[in-house]
Amino acid sequence: DIQMTQSPSTLSVSVGDRVTIACRASQSISASLAWYQQKPGKAPKLLISKASNFQSGVPSRFSGSGSGTLFALTISSLQPDDFATYYCQQFDAYPWTFGQGTKVEI
Amino acid sequence: QVQLQESGPGPVKPSETLSLTCAVSGDSVSSGSYYWTWIRQPPGKGLEWIGGYNHYSGTTKYNPSLKSRVTISVDTSKNQFSLKLSSVTAADTAVYFCARDDTTGAIDSWGQGTLVTVSS
Repeated sequence: DIQMTQSPSTLSVSVGDRVTIACRASQSISASLAWYQQKPGKAPKLLISKASNFQSGVPSRFSGSGSGTLFALTISSLQPDDFATYYCQQFDAYPWTFGQGTKVEI
Repeated sequence: QVQLQESGPGPVKPSETLSLTCAVSGDSVSSGSYYWTWIRQPPGKGLEWIGGYNHYSGTTKYNPSLKSRVTISVDTSKNQFSLKLSSVTAADTAVYFCARDDTTGAIDSWGQGTLVTVSS
């Protein structure tokens, strides 16, 4: 299985901060990476697919970058609604696998 | 807009079979454009992909860690799909999500999730 490792596990930030979450794959996955946002008690929400393609309705402050084994999710100016846990997921090879999550907290 | 809703019988005893159903509205499980997928999340932990089924191709993909115990099937007459996980243990206690994989692998729609507790 391809292992996905996110860093950091927890991020303590303030409203207005620029936030970057890293995701590393154990082998090259090209651009086959998605990012999700999950709030407590809710299902994850797809933010970005194919490393940098953001989904309809996702605020433009979210952006994704990277290819191969290193990826990043950036929130340009953190808003109150952005406090959540973020997961990366590879879909280059079955089984699809997720990172362990990064909790963005105040 | 597609909507997915999980349902199931509630708590499951160890060694029994967990059975869940996902009702789909706003799309057809017969569509060739998607894999109808199950993902789970143990309490306080991360996400684990269980597997998915594409009706058009008749292809099912399973996580090898669960493959011997998992069956995913589709009922086109009811526009729903199902998960069966046999010989459960406490380690299978999790929130189970049904979801839609857009066949690239990105999961673009999710059900709200249902907590299944395995306990005697």
